[in-house]
Amino acid sequence: EVQLVESGGGLVQPGGSLRLSCAASGFTFSSYSMNWVRQAPGKGLEWISYISRAGSNIFYADSVKGRFTISRDNAKNSLYLQMISLRDEDTAVYYCARETVTSHEIDSWGQGTLVTVSS
Amino acid sequence: QSVLTQPPSASGTPGQRVTISCSGTSSNIGSNFVYWYQQLPGTAPKLLIYSNNQRPSGVPDRFSGSKSGTSASLAISGLRSEDEADYYCAAWDDSLSGWVFGGGTKLTVL
Repeated sequence: EVQLVESGGGLVQPGGSLRLSCAASGFTFSSYSMNWVRQAPGKGLEWISYISRAGSNIFYADSVKGRFTISRDNAKNSLYLQMISLRDEDTAVYYCARETVTSHEIDSWGQGTLVTVSS
Repeated sequence: QSVLTQPPSASGTPGQRVTISCSGTSSNIGSNFVYWYQQLPGTAPKLLIYSNNQRPSGVPDRFSGSKSGTSASLAISGLRSEDEADYYCAAWDDSLSGWVFGGGTKLTVL
């Protein structure tokens, strides 16, 4: 069974930093691209970052470019999101999401981890 | 404001057929596949349709997707109470080099 389990969320002050992790199991992690997608309270889905299977291709949404860094460790079956200079508007549930390399659908999502940026 | 445009709400009675539209541009829907996700309250999104009109295993054939030009649609036939959820369309955007989502459509089963 495919499992994606996010961790590392919590309450942080504006300007602070946080590192999210996503532990993958039930599939060959290195065979899939990965994404981070977030959802602000009561709002829609917002894609924020993509990383290819080997980590050689990385993309970011303009809203987080320069502040967030995506990375992965295929030996540890883990995906990460380092977030700095956090703003109020970064408050959201952050989902780790698996993307197939065949038809490129995001086919599996974690349960999400809540990040709250507030003083 | 979302890159892909969806109606904020839709509704229908049990057994009815409803459609949800998704409008984009040449850099996203016009040149790439469209995907649809269902999000039940308090849960993570679930893939409903991929590659415009393909259903993952386990998704009932009551759900169907289509695409024409820079627009796409999700149709749900034989509406059931458990279909009440938020529905999102998505596509890769070549200009933005990233995924774009619609703002979501809240489906109410009356």
